[in-house]
Order: sequence, then structure tokens, then C-alpha cells
Amino acid sequence: AQKITQTQPGMFVQEKEAVTLDCTYDTSDPSYGLFWYKQPSSGEMIFLIYQGSYDQQNATEGRYSLNFQKARKSANLVISASQLGDSAMYFCAMREGSDYKLSFGAGTTVTVRA
Amino acid sequence: SAVISQKPSRDICQRGTSLTIQCQVDSQVTMMFWYRQQPGQSLTLIATANQGSEATYESGFVIDKFPISRPNLTFSTLTVSNMSPEDSSIYLCSVEGGTTPGTEAFFGQGTRLTVV
Repeated sequence: AQKITQTQPGMFVQEKEAVTLDCTYDTSDPSYGLFWYKQPSSGEMIFLIYQGSYDQQNATEGRYSLNFQKARKSANLVISASQLGDSAMYFCAMREGSDYKLSFGAGTTVTVRA
Repeated sequence: SAVISQKPSRDICQRGTSLTIQCQVDSQVTMMFWYRQQPGQSLTLIATANQGSEATYESGFVIDKFPISRPNLTFSTLTVSNMSPEDSSIYLCSVEGGTTPGTEAFFGQGTRLTVV
């Protein structure tokens, strides 16, 4: 079974608007961590934000925020005030327990329009 | 945060040959991870490289095809052996980081491999 599901292959967003990228996960481990990465066309993986399963508050990092709904097993990424440089592939990933290896979703391509 | 230097950044190789990818970290880390990203696909873990022991391979990946070395706590290599066009991918090394363990994971710049 897929551990991480990203159902949006691609999204378009107008510059300066907000965009929400969906991510659902599946795990039976009560301790886990959720990550979001940005991958521009250059191929590097840029860490954006992290949410731990025991964190009480939703994570935020600048224009990035994570809408964590534990009961629904979702960890959606919200990018506010989109910029042209936000155009990239975005991956949701999860680690489980004390294991540091990551399972990745299929990714969502975001294209920001001027 | 950890800084990871990965090389080569890209290469074009003939089928049947082997390529060794190097990953150097600026701090000591217990575990290093090697991922493969096939064209248009997501990242898939190949193996976990532990210093002083054999690498742990994920299902579908074998040591004969992807031998890994981990001679110390800051360095690892991944070799892609007897290459075929299906091995054309981006290969990335990664380490765990963060002031709290497990809260960040850093990646090298990736090696874009094309097999002809």
C-alpha cells in the first residue's frame, strides 16, 4: 500500500495567490514525521517544512505552512503569496518511528503564472 | 544543517560500464541514504549505508548491481554496475539532520546519469 499519496499531478496558480498541495499518509506507527520538499528543474531537493506526529501546532516556515489533520491523516502544504520562483515539483515524504529513511509521494508540479 | 557534496553532477555512460558516485558530508553522520529518481518519477530508496557494516538494501535493489561503500562517518559511494539505459536516473544521497534528530533530511545536489 502507498504510504504517501499526492493526488494532484499538476497545479496552476496565479502569482501572489495561495495554493494548497494535498498529501495523505498511511502508517500504524504513532511516532512519525512528515516532510515537504521542493525540487526545481535543476534536480536538487530543497527541504521546506517538517511536522512531527506529536507536534501540537501546525508547522510554519515563512510563506510555507502545513495544515496537519492527524485524524484524517493529511498534511497539506500551503504556499502563500506565490512567486514565479515557486514553480517546481513538490514532494511530500514521511519517516516512521526511529527510522530515518523517507517514503515519498508521487509529487505535484506547481506552475505559477504571472 | 549538513552540507553535502555529491559528484559527479551528471554523466553520460556507455551501457555495460559502471559509474561510482561520491557523497561527502561536512559533519559526521551515522546513516547515509541513497535514492534513485527515474525520469518523471518520485524518489525511491535504494539502500541505507551504515559505517562499519554492510549496507541495507530495499526490496528490488541488490548489492551486485548497486555496491555501496561507507569507509567513515562523512563519506559514502554508490556504484551503478553493468549499466543499461533503464539505469538512467537522478541518484541522490541524503543524511538525517536537524537540531532534534529526525526533523530534517538533507540531500546532495544529485547525479544525473544517462546511459546510452
